[in-house]
This record gives sequence, C-alpha cells and structure tokens, in this order.
Amino acid sequence: AQKVTQAQTEISVVEKEDVTLDCVYETRDTTYYLFWYKQPPSGELVFLIRRNSFDEQNEISGRYSWNFQKSTSSFNFTITASQVVDSAVYFCALVVGYALNFGKGTSLLVTP
Amino acid sequence: DTEVTQTPKHLVMGMTNKKSLKCEQHMGHRAMYWYKQKAKKPPELMFVYSYEKLSINESVPSRFSPECPNSSLLNLHLHALQPEDSALYLCASSPRGLAGGFNEQFFGPGTRLTVL
Repeated sequence: AQKVTQAQTEISVVEKEDVTLDCVYETRDTTYYLFWYKQPPSGELVFLIRRNSFDEQNEISGRYSWNFQKSTSSFNFTITASQVVDSAVYFCALVVGYALNFGKGTSLLVTP
Repeated sequence: DTEVTQTPKHLVMGMTNKKSLKCEQHMGHRAMYWYKQKAKKPPELMFVYSYEKLSINESVPSRFSPECPNSSLLNLHLHALQPEDSALYLCASSPRGLAGGFNEQFFGPGTRLTVL
C-alpha cells in the first residue's frame, strides 16, 4: 500500500523565517515518484517539484529546497526567508503507476 | 498549448438542477481524471478515462456522470446533487494511458461548486 504522511497540519511563521514542511512516505515499490504541490487560496494546484526514486540529489530552486532521503523515506521541503505569498496549503504526493497518493497537506501561514 | 482548462470557474446550483463541468486539454494526452476536493482535504480521485474509455470509477454516486466525447474533452454531468457535494472539482490529464507505468498528471485550475 502507498501512503504519505504530513504530520504538520498547520504552521505559522513570521515573514523572513525559514520553515520546513515534513513528508514521510510508504511504498514497497522500488520505482516511484514524489511530488510537492502548492495550493493557494485560489484553489489551483501548482506543481513545485518531482523526484524519482533513483535520484536522491537534493534540489534548490530560489528560496525553495528539497531534501530526499530514502533511508528515512522522507522528502522534506524548506522555504528560506519565507514571504507572505508563500501562505498556502502544501501537499506532498507519491505516485506509483497512475495513482497519485496525496498527504493530508500542511497549511502554512506567513504573517508580516 | 500546454495547459488544462476548466469551465466554469464557479458554479452555484440547486439540488434539482442539471449542470455540467467541462475540462479541455490540447496536449495530446491520453488519460484524463476528475478529482473532488473538500475544504482542508487533499484531492480525491473520482474517475479516470484512458484512451477515451472509462477505466476507473472510485465508487462515485450516480448523480455524477462523466463523459469523454473525444481525446481532448472531459465532461462531468451533475444531477440531483446534495449540499455535501459542494467542493472544488479538479481535472487532470496525463500523456499516456493507464497501462504505461508512471504518468505525470497536469492539473487544471478547478471549478468551485456550491450546491444550495
């Protein structure tokens, strides 16, 4: 069975703080893909990153960075110097085949 | 054209109304999906079409009726809905049909449905 756990339901930070969103996944498949999506209040799911199970390289994109560790089945997401526009719900998702298994999401609120 | 479009953006309907949601993609994708997302919850898969045939129905009530008239278009017909059906309805598409292993999904902006 595939499962994604985002243990943090809500996080509140003050602008310019760094924040890490946790994602732990479970799968018995050796080939899988991990995603992070951002969903602002407007509702659209915005794709942030995709990682396959064979690529454990960490990635940095501007203020965003991702730490993929197969040894702990984790794919954590860090926002550096957070901004008010980062306020949104963030979903981690695991894909095996066609099935997109979402975590429950972490609601991030960044206040000025 | 590299996007999935959905119309309308917002829809308010009564419990006796019949309405339809529309999803369109012109990327040549062969799989299309409907998801339902309640507030503060992740999206939940409803239906999957692969090569214009209904392949997956996640035990969705019959008041939701999907239709795939051609490879670019996906409809969701709504009839006799309940207030608890109010949600964001997301459409997605993937390049290949379901039998081909990993298949990334590209999401549309969603239709926010309110049932009175």
